[in-house]
Amino acid sequence: GAVVSQHPSRVICKSGTSVKIECRSLDFQATTMFWYRQFPKQSLMLMATSNEGSKATYEQGVEKDKFLINHASLTLSTLTVTSAHPEDSSFYICSASIGTGRNTEAFFGQGTRLTVV
Amino acid sequence: GNSVTQMEGPVTLSEEAFLTINCTYTATGYPSLFWYVQYPGEGLQLLLKATKADDKGSNKGFEATYRKETTSFHLEKGSVQVSDSAVYFCALGAGGTSYGKLTFGQGTILTVHP
Repeated sequence: GAVVSQHPSRVICKSGTSVKIECRSLDFQATTMFWYRQFPKQSLMLMATSNEGSKATYEQGVEKDKFLINHASLTLSTLTVTSAHPEDSSFYICSASIGTGRNTEAFFGQGTRLTVV
Repeated sequence: GNSVTQMEGPVTLSEEAFLTINCTYTATGYPSLFWYVQYPGEGLQLLLKATKADDKGSNKGFEATYRKETTSFHLEKGSVQVSDSAVYFCALGAGGTSYGKLTFGQGTILTVHP
């Protein structure tokens, strides 16, 4: 099956610094990727849709200036958490899709555990 | 809008017990339905899917049938194993041009004891 690789798997940063998370589709091209956030013992909440070559589409309530998304190529999307604060600590997961219509299937990265201290 | 409601957990079973995790959904269109599994500290893995009404998805002994009339997609397994302990998420793909954008249920923690 298709492989989506996310890096790093864990990161600890100081409050006020920025952190970049990478999401790569290793064996396919993805014009669209998705970024989700998961709080402890809770479900995944969609943050934004990352579109190759254009601006990301953010879900309501997600600060686009805080969570910068760049999708510069068909195999790479990055999420940068700017001026991180402890409340940004969470598990971030990306996905990329293959297929069209109802045959679309999403493949997920392994997630990034961000801890802001 | 779209939403998914899952049976609340956690669910604790003995090995070889029968498992059911209920999932119902609301959707504005005609979605595809999925079950994902998440092991501790890991991302999500697709367990099974169904793309139209009355389809049955199956994998690793797990099954779920797309019931449009009851808007449900319940997950079942006849005999669980300790290795099935994980968090299970029901999800729907929105439809139109957004089938890759998923709406998730709240997740159900399953623990299987020997």
